[in-house]
Amino acid sequence: QITLKESGPTLVKPTQTLTLTCSFSGFSLRTTGVGVGWIRQPPGKALEWLALIYWNEDKRYNPSLKSRLTITKDTSRNQVVLRITDMDPVDTATYYCGQFNSMTAMHWGQGTPVPVS
Amino acid sequence: SSELTQDPAVSVALGQTVRITCQGDSLRSYFPSWYQQKPGQAPVLVIYGRNIRPSGIPDRFSGSNSGNTGSLTITGAQADDEADYYCNSRDISGYHPVFGGGTKLTVL
Repeated sequence: QITLKESGPTLVKPTQTLTLTCSFSGFSLRTTGVGVGWIRQPPGKALEWLALIYWNEDKRYNPSLKSRLTITKDTSRNQVVLRITDMDPVDTATYYCGQFNSMTAMHWGQGTPVPVS
Repeated sequence: SSELTQDPAVSVALGQTVRITCQGDSLRSYFPSWYQQKPGQAPVLVIYGRNIRPSGIPDRFSGSNSGNTGSLTITGAQADDEADYYCNSRDISGYHPVFGGGTKLTVL
């Protein structure tokens, strides 16, 4: 059974850096083709993909946010970390991590709400 | 604005068939994936690839592609299908995932 769970702060102040951790089980980031990515959803709005890291360290970033994003993985601990710098109230959203196969999010975490205020 | 365009809202009578569409240039080359999201819940993948349903997804959900338009069809819509539906595929560069703006499905 594949599970993912996001963790991070319950409140972020403007200009701070947000650090989110995705802890997963049921698959390995050593497996060819597997990736873990981050998607966010502001209240009442659509999903927005942020970043993705693959088993081979290939990293992809949303071009509109690339300068603020850093994604890393700890394969031995089954964790992926996303850092977003210079947080703003418009970044208030629920942040999800997901297991990716190519560009499809096959499995999702429950999400973690991050207010910026 | 998203590179994948969806109608904001669609409605269907209980038991009838409904098609939810997703338009974008990248869909001429790549199949869209489809996700169902109910209020307060995380999205769930319902269709990916060439009309593949993950385990546990009812067979009333199906996907198709034609030109620059991908479609999710629900044949015999149930009350439980009322949700937001999002498509996703690659952007036009083929290098990044992108999501559509979502379609709110109401089952009457």
